[in-house]
Amino acid sequence: GQQVMQIPQYQHVQEGEDFTTYCNSSTTLSNIQWYKQRPGGHPVFLIQLVKSGEVKKQKRLTFQFGEAKKNSSLHITATQTTDVGTYFCAGLMDNNNDMRFGAGTRLTVKP
Amino acid sequence: GAVVSQHPSWVICKSGTSVKIECRSLDFQATTMFWYRQFPKQSLMLMATSNEGSKATYEQGVEKDKFLINHASLTLSTLTVTSAHPEDSSFYICSAGRTGWPYEQYFGPGTRLTVT
Repeated sequence: GQQVMQIPQYQHVQEGEDFTTYCNSSTTLSNIQWYKQRPGGHPVFLIQLVKSGEVKKQKRLTFQFGEAKKNSSLHITATQTTDVGTYFCAGLMDNNNDMRFGAGTRLTVKP
Repeated sequence: GAVVSQHPSWVICKSGTSVKIECRSLDFQATTMFWYRQFPKQSLMLMATSNEGSKATYEQGVEKDKFLINHASLTLSTLTVTSAHPEDSSFYICSAGRTGWPYEQYFGPGTRLTVT
């Protein structure tokens, strides 16, 4: 079936290091959304990318949508302890408008 | 990894009828499950937080009498859309969280509800 694969599953970094998580879809996406879940909380919407090749920034976070609209990445520059959590991508399938979540990347940051 | 299932994956019902959607954690116990609704091309909207053995906590603006949530066991939560209307047509997703460390959250595949 249609899937969204997300890697890595876990990432442990030293504070100040960069972090990137990647999502790949088996089919073309209408858009892709990114969510952050803090430990014990529920996923919170971060951003939505719609256009091919789109790049958006939120402070130290950079989101990219691939040219083919099948992959996306979230990059955090100079991580801080407040960045700890699980980052999920969610792709909206182009053919049926169903949303498919990646498995999430759990980020831990060592002070 | 952990798996969360939803049933049915899609359902079409007539206006005025009720529809039940199940969310199951297949290989872990989930004290807390979340129910979301997604409108076309929009982000997820959290509807309610479901805790095993207690009443669900609904987000502001979500009618608890219309969207009945039951979390009877550590592996099953159900969402019942009562007296469904066409405006209830949407994509409903649940997620189930492990209790305690490492607080991982797993999403179900979603249920598409169409009310005619």
